[in-house]
Amino acid sequence: QKEVEQNSGPLSVPEGAIASLNCTYSDRGSQSFFWYRQYSGKSPELIMFIYSNGDKEDGRFTAQLNKASQYVSLLIRDSQPSDSATYLCAVRYNDYKLSFGAGTTVTVRA
Amino acid sequence: GAGVSQSPSNKVTEKGKDVELRCDPISGHTALYWYRQSLGQGLEFLIYFQGNSAPDKSGLPSDRFSAERTGGSVSTLTIQRTQQEDSAVYLCASRAGRSTDTQYFGPGTRLTVL
Repeated sequence: QKEVEQNSGPLSVPEGAIASLNCTYSDRGSQSFFWYRQYSGKSPELIMFIYSNGDKEDGRFTAQLNKASQYVSLLIRDSQPSDSATYLCAVRYNDYKLSFGAGTTVTVRA
Repeated sequence: GAGVSQSPSNKVTEKGKDVELRCDPISGHTALYWYRQSLGQGLEFLIYFQGNSAPDKSGLPSDRFSAERTGGSVSTLTIQRTQQEDSAVYLCASRAGRSTDTQYFGPGTRLTVL
């Protein structure tokens, strides 16, 4: 099993602040990286994917990838209470299989 | 369009009974996955289907677990002689094909074994 590690949190941030989530992975050959958001009692939904080193921005979300350090992060700018959820990092290490981290729970305080 | 659907949404059973969980993927999606998520845990991979075949069953926890997919569409996950440690949310996901990475998840079946 390929390892994907995340801080479990909870990560508590005030409304309007930046939430920073981190993920490390064990397989240096991994090529694709994903962030899923999971609201309590709901199924995961994809919010970002990144393939290349550097930053990728989508609205208030920025994914950052550093393959040399085997590190991927997610920044949530201008955090809103609706961003309160568990964020799952996933890594693809062959042509079909994702390995998921345990997730980081984020709470945005109004 | 319709997303991935799963049934039942909740299942309560007694230890030792068999259960069947159903997944109906997005129409035309050739890849189908089953995962298990225990309370506070990440997603544990169970099995992967490409079409009707299952090239990777490596995540099935024991021989009490089996799955099939017919007609390249609906899949059934069967758990025989359920145990309390089988209690979890069972999630199904589908993917359009090899050209895309995105997996779309169903709402899950919450299984409780008493």
